[in-house]
Amino acid sequence: NAGVTQTPKFQVLKTGQSMTLQCAQDMNHEYMSWYRQDPGMGLRLIHYSVGAGITDQGEVPNGYNVSRSTTEDFPLRLLSAAPSQTSVYFCASRIAGHTGELFFGEGSRLTVL
Amino acid sequence: GIQVEQSPPDLILQEGANSTLRCNFSDSVNNLQWFHQNPWGQLINLFYIPSGTKQNGRLSATTVATERYSLLYISSSQTTDSGVYFCAVVKRAGNQFYFGTGTSLTVIP
Repeated sequence: NAGVTQTPKFQVLKTGQSMTLQCAQDMNHEYMSWYRQDPGMGLRLIHYSVGAGITDQGEVPNGYNVSRSTTEDFPLRLLSAAPSQTSVYFCASRIAGHTGELFFGEGSRLTVL
Repeated sequence: GIQVEQSPPDLILQEGANSTLRCNFSDSVNNLQWFHQNPWGQLINLFYIPSGTKQNGRLSATTVATERYSLLYISSSQTTDSGVYFCAVVKRAGNQFYFGTGTSLTVIP
């Protein structure tokens, strides 16, 4: 019953460092996505993927890269972290198409100093 | 995109009281979900409800897609209902979820 698994849960970076947030799901979902949550702003979509080899930008993609080499995994890369990227990051997945419930991981809290 | 507005932004209830949370959206949708974010930050699925009415225990939801709104009802509130409630929609012919800014609910004993 793993569902959507995110690692790490907490991370502190210095400005300019790089890191990868990992996301894996075991529900055979085609659609995967990354959100960031900032106080008072709800959840905003960073990048999403509708299947292996296919990715697209969401509302706030700048400063983030993604790739989707397998159905199960959808890592989010910060190439040069900035303080503005301090946030809580959520990975989510669902079946392909317009319908289907979205399921979230437990979140990763990132602080950039 | 699509605009998703939730009201009220904040709500304080006495334990046992009832409440109604509202979600308005600016365009036709074919997917709508309600989530509860608990004080530990976890996002929990409450309802998948692009149209119609559903009930789950003390919670129920109604979506009137033609009028572009959804309502979440909480009856006999408990302190464990505290947290932030989010509405999220997928625009018709789209595949991205857009979230409202949430309703922060505090239930006091």
